[in-house]
Amino acid sequence: GAGVSQSPRYKVAKRGQDVALRCDPISGHVSLFWYQQALGQGPEFLTYFQNEAQLDKSGLPSDRFFAERPEGSVSTLKIQRTQKEDSAVYLCASAGSYEQYFGPGTRLTVT
Amino acid sequence: KQEVTQIPAALSVPEGENLVLNCSFTDSAIYNLQWFRQDPGKGLTSLLLIQSSQREQTSGRLNASLDKSSGRSTLYIAASQPGDSATYLCAVTSDDYKLSFGAGTTVTVRA
Repeated sequence: GAGVSQSPRYKVAKRGQDVALRCDPISGHVSLFWYQQALGQGPEFLTYFQNEAQLDKSGLPSDRFFAERPEGSVSTLKIQRTQKEDSAVYLCASAGSYEQYFGPGTRLTVT
Repeated sequence: KQEVTQIPAALSVPEGENLVLNCSFTDSAIYNLQWFRQDPGKGLTSLLLIQSSQREQTSGRLNASLDKSSGRSTLYIAASQPGDSATYLCAVTSDDYKLSFGAGTTVTVRA
């Protein structure tokens, strides 16, 4: 079946703009994760959903970052008032049990 | 906090040579360990997952070992091919869900 999809694949934002990144998980997967990957680094955990409940948001770097999954399927990561340090690849993963399946990521560049 | 380290950061070998990639983690209380492959501009592809109770996993030319007590895992790739060129990431799950990643080893296989 279809894997995890993310959109847009690339996003360029001017500093101060708001952005919204979308994740479509594998159908039926209960768990959904967001990670941030800076250039040359491994992904860092941002937040975790089980169905529509956000159970862990300890990795969100500031209150400018907000994630939601209102119907327990599609998720959106929103970044308000983007800063240059927000430039990274944002990866989404979903899991039915313990193994996480990753999407292709959204590369965000803040100019 | 779980810290994951991968050595070396980069590796270049001639085609046909065996690859040995190392991963270490600071907290041995893990649920599982995964090895991922990441191609430039792409998401993560899971290669092998080792449960904490297992010592190794094999898939084709790939073999991963796990020594939980010493906090180490090694990924072996036999008879390397140019198509094996990619970044390899190690990640551990220390609780029910979130993955902690290393920074990766970038492999180049020369034809």
